[in-house]
Amino acid sequence: QVQLVESGGGVVQPGGSLRLSCSASGFLFSSYGMHWVRQAPGKGLEWVAIIWFDGSEKYSADSVRGRFTISRDNSKNTLYLQMNSVRPEDTALYYCARDRGGGLGLIEFWGQGTLVTVSS
Amino acid sequence: EIVMTQSPATLSVSPGERATLSCRASQSLSTNLAWFQQKPGQAPRLLIHSSSTRATGIPDRFSGSGSGTEFTLTISGLQSEDFAIYYCQQYHDRPPWAFGPGTKVEIK
Repeated sequence: QVQLVESGGGVVQPGGSLRLSCSASGFLFSSYGMHWVRQAPGKGLEWVAIIWFDGSEKYSADSVRGRFTISRDNSKNTLYLQMNSVRPEDTALYYCARDRGGGLGLIEFWGQGTLVTVSS
Repeated sequence: EIVMTQSPATLSVSPGERATLSCRASQSLSTNLAWFQQKPGQAPRLLIHSSSTRATGIPDRFSGSGSGTEFTLTISGLQSEDFAIYYCQQYHDRPPWAFGPGTKVEIK
């Protein structure tokens, strides 16, 4: 079965950096687009970024563009989110999610999330 | 950028009754619309994609309809496990792909 396990969350100071990882198993990782979606405490879902199955295309939300970078290593079945210049409003549970195809935009499976807290 | 809205924000329904949730897009999505269910402390779960296609394992009391800018999720015969927050999400054309703000379905 599809499993997505996020890691790397924690407490980071404003202006600092953090790298999130998502380890995937149970499917052919290199065939699927992958997303990051976040949820601030008590708030709704916010789509953050997508990377195509082969890494050829990447897109991100306006709120993180220029600060966050999505990447993947298909040889390690791992998705990453490099978070730079973090702000208090980036505090959220960050979910890794699998696309239904190579980059359709339809999210089919979700991990359990890793919590990022931006605070001094 | 496409903006998604959902109504109502909260829906109070008695077990066994029908719940009707609405989702509206600021531009036409064709049928590129998904519905997700999220229970407290859990990750979201895909219920419906392509406006009306149930995801694998989703009971047939969940149904979706609509196209263009107006969409509906109907839950027939609400069961205790259906009380949750429901989000719509558009995946039309290119990113960014926005979620709606959610509808909380609570016990009346």
